[in-house]
Amino acid sequence: AQSVTQLDSQVPVFEEAPVELRCNYSSSVSVYLFWYVQYPNQGLQLLLKYLSGSTLVESINGFEAEFNKSQTSFHLRKPSVHISDTAEYFCAVSPMNTGFQKLVFGTGTRLLVSP
Amino acid sequence: NAGVTQTPKFQVLKTGQSMTLQCAQDMNHEYMSWYRQDPGMGLRLIHYSVGAGITDQGEVPNGYNVSRSTTEDFPLRLLSAAPSQTSVYFCASSSTGGNQPQHFGDGTRLSIL
Repeated sequence: AQSVTQLDSQVPVFEEAPVELRCNYSSSVSVYLFWYVQYPNQGLQLLLKYLSGSTLVESINGFEAEFNKSQTSFHLRKPSVHISDTAEYFCAVSPMNTGFQKLVFGTGTRLLVSP
Repeated sequence: NAGVTQTPKFQVLKTGQSMTLQCAQDMNHEYMSWYRQDPGMGLRLIHYSVGAGITDQGEVPNGYNVSRSTTEDFPLRLLSAAPSQTSVYFCASSSTGGNQPQHFGDGTRLSIL
């Protein structure tokens, strides 16, 4: 079984400041790792994913996440946030041995960017 | 591009009523799933399907039924609604393979009085 922990339910930050959203997971099998973003009144959109290879993955809008196997973490970072980054962010894992994506989500972190 | 379409967007039911949440995708995805989203609990998997005629239970299946007669459609049925089923429901689909991203619908906001 898998579980995902996002300790911060809400992270307030000023525009152009850096931010880190934390994610830790536990699993008895190897997993793929994902970050999804949810804007108000919308469904979830894939932000970035770690499948294999380089432990640092990047998104097209400036976010990056680093997979740390020893610490079982997959923290999300952005060096300078914009107002438009205000959203809820979900970390998720999916076991590699199922043949399909069976996501287990964390409880989410609401990022609030203010001017 | 329609992607994943969920209907209705909003619904209010009385306890004991039944209803079906509709989900359709036009991407020829084999895998479809239903999640519920509750405050402070993230998304939890209700049921999923790996292809037409094949369904299985997720983490919170009680009170919900599903069927998959076509690749495109994956309806979720509440046979006797309860207040505990008040939630936002999301349908998702993806290609086969654990590394394939899931595509989510915009959700159905359901209130049970």
